[in-house]
Amino acid sequence: GNSVTQMEGPVTLSEEAFLTINCTYTATGYPSLFWYVQYPGEGLQLLLKATKADDKGSNKGFEATYRKETTSFHLEKGSVQVSDSAVYFCALMNSGYSTLTFGKGTMLLVSP
Amino acid sequence: GAVVSQHPSRVICKSGTSVKIECRSLDFQATTMFWYRQFPKQSLMLMATSNEGSKATYEQGVEKDKFLINHASLTLSTLTVTSAHPEDSSFYICSASGQEGGQPQHFGDGTRLSIL
Repeated sequence: GNSVTQMEGPVTLSEEAFLTINCTYTATGYPSLFWYVQYPGEGLQLLLKATKADDKGSNKGFEATYRKETTSFHLEKGSVQVSDSAVYFCALMNSGYSTLTFGKGTMLLVSP
Repeated sequence: GAVVSQHPSRVICKSGTSVKIECRSLDFQATTMFWYRQFPKQSLMLMATSNEGSKATYEQGVEKDKFLINHASLTLSTLTVTSAHPEDSSFYICSASGQEGGQPQHFGDGTRLSIL
């Protein structure tokens, strides 16, 4: 079956620090991979996605590269801001299906 | 971009009350809608998947008679928590996907349900 494993949080950083949130997956076939962000008290927003191996998704300074050989999709940002504080979810979707499989989420706390 | 509206955002009610939550796709036709439940500091648990005009498919362990889902049109799905009890208190989130083939779901802002 499908599964997504994320590093446990919270991840605590100072403003302008470099961010990495690890995500690895198990899936059959060639899934699409996603990062969603959830701000306090809100639903999820799509942050970025990649649909095939070696694709790089990017948005708002965040990046993640689909690595088939390591079954990973790590989220990175070169310089975080206080406003990036949120919970980040890694997810996958098998081709031909619309059901998402989520990781447990990683809370990011950025201090000034 | 695609927008999903979820209403109400917060509900506080007495035990035994039935509560209805609406999920609307505002600028696209949602052939499939999903209902999730999120416990504090945990990931989203998929409760059920509904396709317009057909019965919802519930995940294992989710009570069909407790959580009634209706997907009557391509823009609206409702979740009714029947005879709610304190253990039903949670954050419920809907999402919708259109006829886009493999594209991600678009999420509502969630409903905080508190049963006293």
